[in-house]
Amino acid sequence: GAGVSQTPSNKVTEKGKYVELRCDPISGHTALYWYRQSLGQGPEFLIYFQGTGAADDSGLPNDRFFAVRPEGSVSTLKIQRTERGDSAVYLCASSLGGRASGANVLTFGAGSRLTVL
Amino acid sequence: AQSVTQLDSQVPVFEEAPVELRCNYSSSVSVYLFWYVQYPNQGLQLLLKYLSGSTLVKGINGFEAEFNKSQTSFHLRKPSVHISDTAEYFCAVSMEYGNKLVFGAGTILRVKS
Repeated sequence: GAGVSQTPSNKVTEKGKYVELRCDPISGHTALYWYRQSLGQGPEFLIYFQGTGAADDSGLPNDRFFAVRPEGSVSTLKIQRTERGDSAVYLCASSLGGRASGANVLTFGAGSRLTVL
Repeated sequence: AQSVTQLDSQVPVFEEAPVELRCNYSSSVSVYLFWYVQYPNQGLQLLLKYLSGSTLVKGINGFEAEFNKSQTSFHLRKPSVHISDTAEYFCAVSMEYGNKLVFGAGTILRVKS
């Protein structure tokens, strides 16, 4: 697509529920990233995919968070047993990937705002 | 590991005045540097980037930034701001050829008429 698309744009859920957030990257971008932005803070890295595999998941806060990208395109961020502290905007970005200069310039989606009541 | 410090959380400025948003980074290896802008209720938009070459980089909307390796800084400047520049600005760093951006906490630019 023309840009990075994220759905839903807003999600309100109750504490303890399961949530899925979807990201559709720019066509042809092999690298995909998830970030979390809490109120008043800069985006915080969660996980990075190169193709289908998670190349770096060091930012996932705990085992309630999981992400997949089974066909190397669309990715889903999954949060189990949500807590109020999970409330944030979850940002997805994609890039061309590889090692050429500029290949890792990230293009961001508009984000999914998650509110856990 | 890389880190980014944006020294000012908010910068108020009058319309048509010049502005500088400060950014300092920490890294033991060569880096790429970026500035992103976030308008209210929107995603991050790339303003400009330094990958290599000239240390003065020009971006969209009349912004520019200068990479200063000795001072580990990448300050953002605009000679004359508009009301429409009101937004939050984020400085970010990655390792050269790296795949993970580390962001600063952001600076809110408030342009007043």
